[in-house]
Amino acid sequence: DAKTTQPTSMDCAEGRAANLPCNHSTISGNEYVYWYRQIHSQGPQYIIHGLKNNETNEMASLIITEDRKSSTLILPHATLRDTAVYYCIARTGGSQGNLIFGKGTKLSVKP
Amino acid sequence: SAVISQKPSRDICQRGTSLTIQCQVDSQVTMMFWYRQQPGQSLTLIATANQGSEATYESGFVIDKFPISRPNLTFSTLTVSNMSPEDSSIYLCSVVGLAGEVGVYNEQFFGPGTRLTVL
Repeated sequence: DAKTTQPTSMDCAEGRAANLPCNHSTISGNEYVYWYRQIHSQGPQYIIHGLKNNETNEMASLIITEDRKSSTLILPHATLRDTAVYYCIARTGGSQGNLIFGKGTKLSVKP
Repeated sequence: SAVISQKPSRDICQRGTSLTIQCQVDSQVTMMFWYRQQPGQSLTLIATANQGSEATYESGFVIDKFPISRPNLTFSTLTVSNMSPEDSSIYLCSVVGLAGEVGVYNEQFFGPGTRLTVL
């Protein structure tokens, strides 16, 4: 699975959009980009995933660059409850193997 | 989606003792994993729990220290043996591949974790 690189931490004002970047320059053609988050003292929670098209669900939007070497997770209207560590992971979509977690980005949403 | 429960949710143990953590899933799953998350760190995979056979351990983890059972498709246990303070962590159960799920994508679900403190 390709290695991903994320900023260690970010701040965001409540009600504003939070844009979390992720670099995955060595991603292969059959690897999806997954985003999970971990709110303090809880298990990781799935947010969204994508291959090459932009994706949106009720939680977030995922923007993947055309060359697939980077992506951005967008939380359109961040709330205090979105404060968490966000993990960007590249993995083969059909795999039933485990996710490999990096250090993630600690997002702090401030009032 | 899969709902995963873990018991106990937390425990405080004395060094040298052992603790068994249970993981129960509300539906049959193909794969079950155990992760460890040390204080302030990311998740590290301990092993893959295999039904009816020995677990597959990652580098740095051994069966004598972390024996794992998986008697069926919905249940697994992880034992932390001969504990020391360095074993103080959150231990998480995770599953992939719901029975009957089709398609190229298999979402991975996580339990709430078991917070272990070893004195």
